Amino acid sequence: QVTLKESGPVLVKPTETLTLTCTVSGFSLSNARMGVSWIRQPPGKALEWLAHIFSNDEKSYSTSLKSRLAISKDTSKSQVVLTMTNMDPVDTATYYCARICSSTSCYNYWGQGTLVTVSS
Amino acid sequence: DIQMTQSPSTLSASVGDRVTITCRASQSISSWLAWYQQKPGKAPKLLIYKASSLESGVPSRFSGSGSGTEFTLTISSLQPDDFATYYCQHNRTFGQGTKLEIK
Repeated sequence: QVTLKESGPVLVKPTETLTLTCTVSGFSLSNARMGVSWIRQPPGKALEWLAHIFSNDEKSYSTSLKSRLAISKDTSKSQVVLTMTNMDPVDTATYYCARICSSTSCYNYWGQGTLVTVSS
Repeated sequence: DIQMTQSPSTLSASVGDRVTITCRASQSISSWLAWYQQKPGKAPKLLIYKASSLESGVPSRFSGSGSGTEFTLTISSLQPDDFATYYCQHNRTFGQGTKLEIK
């Protein structure tokens, strides 16, 4: 059974750095072409892709947020970590991690999401 | 970046209706398009991948079609559980969503 679960702070202050962890089970982050993305959704708004990482450590970032994001994985812990620096109230959103479909450019498994509020 | 535009933004319909949601890409994306259903407070759920392939476990009343720049998601006979927001997606880009409401 494939599951993903996000964890991290529910509240961060402006200018702080956010660190989110996605813990996966039911599959290995070392499987060939296995990838995990981070996607966020501000309240009442659409989904926004942030970053992805593949089993070969290939990484990619949103063009508009690239300077603030870093993604990494710990295969032994089955975890994917996203850090976002210099948080702002506009970054308030539900943050999801999702597994990338094997060969068809989609997301077939999602975590439940974690709401992060940026406020002083 | 390729832009994905959905229409309409909101759709009012009744149980039993046949509804269609459209997604247009700013340039050709072949058949690399997925559709998701999202209910309030829940994560999106994959319905259709590669434009027309039904994800396992998704009811057959959902279907997808299209290629190139124009795609559609059709629900053949709306059920009460189908009232939700629907998103199309290509690679890193999601559409803005279509909220399907009860008329």
